[in-house]
Amino acid sequence: GAGVSQTPSNKVTEKGKYVELRCDPISGHTALYWYRQSLGQGPEFLIYFQGTGAADDSGLPNDRFFAVRPEGSVSTLKIQRTERGDSAVYLCASSFWGGGRNEQFFGPGTRLTVL
Amino acid sequence: AQKVTQAQTEISVVEKEDVTLDCVYETRDTTYYLFWYKQPPSGELVFLIRRNSFDEQNEISGRYSWNFQKSTSSFNFTITASQVVDSAVYFCALNMNYGGSQGNLIFGKGTKLSVKP
Repeated sequence: GAGVSQTPSNKVTEKGKYVELRCDPISGHTALYWYRQSLGQGPEFLIYFQGTGAADDSGLPNDRFFAVRPEGSVSTLKIQRTERGDSAVYLCASSFWGGGRNEQFFGPGTRLTVL
Repeated sequence: AQKVTQAQTEISVVEKEDVTLDCVYETRDTTYYLFWYKQPPSGELVFLIRRNSFDEQNEISGRYSWNFQKSTSSFNFTITASQVVDSAVYFCALNMNYGGSQGNLIFGKGTKLSVKP
């Protein structure tokens, strides 16, 4: 079956611009996660959705970052007034249910470059 | 605080050698889960194994084996008879299952394994 998909695969933008990154989870997975991976680092948690609601957004670095999942499937990560420090690979993952015991399946990521 | 440490930044071996990737974790919780993921050059993280804190049995899957020791808070990963296709960055991760942290993974910084022919 289809895995987690993310679009675009690459996004180049200028400092100060607004960007949206999309994630399509595996069909039937109720839990969705966003992570950010900087070069040479492990992924860092941003936000977790259980269904339509954000169950944990403690990883969002500041109020320029926002994510939605209006119908409990596709999610969009939105970044306002982008800064060069936002450059990273943004990873999306989904699991059948939330909770620590469930393995998360990752998408290929969106590489964001802020010039 | 919860933390995962992978002290080996890079390892280089020759094909057919055995290699062990170290992972040490910190948590105050009694119930937690440990994972290993593989990130090949293509970039997509691939799930390898999950282990819960109550199951200390070692596990073997083909050329892969995992050694979980709660006494030393370690969850090490061994590849036997390494192959060039094993070249990747390997991440160890920790997950709790309580309160507000209902499932976000805490990753180590990863170990880059290069297997040369």
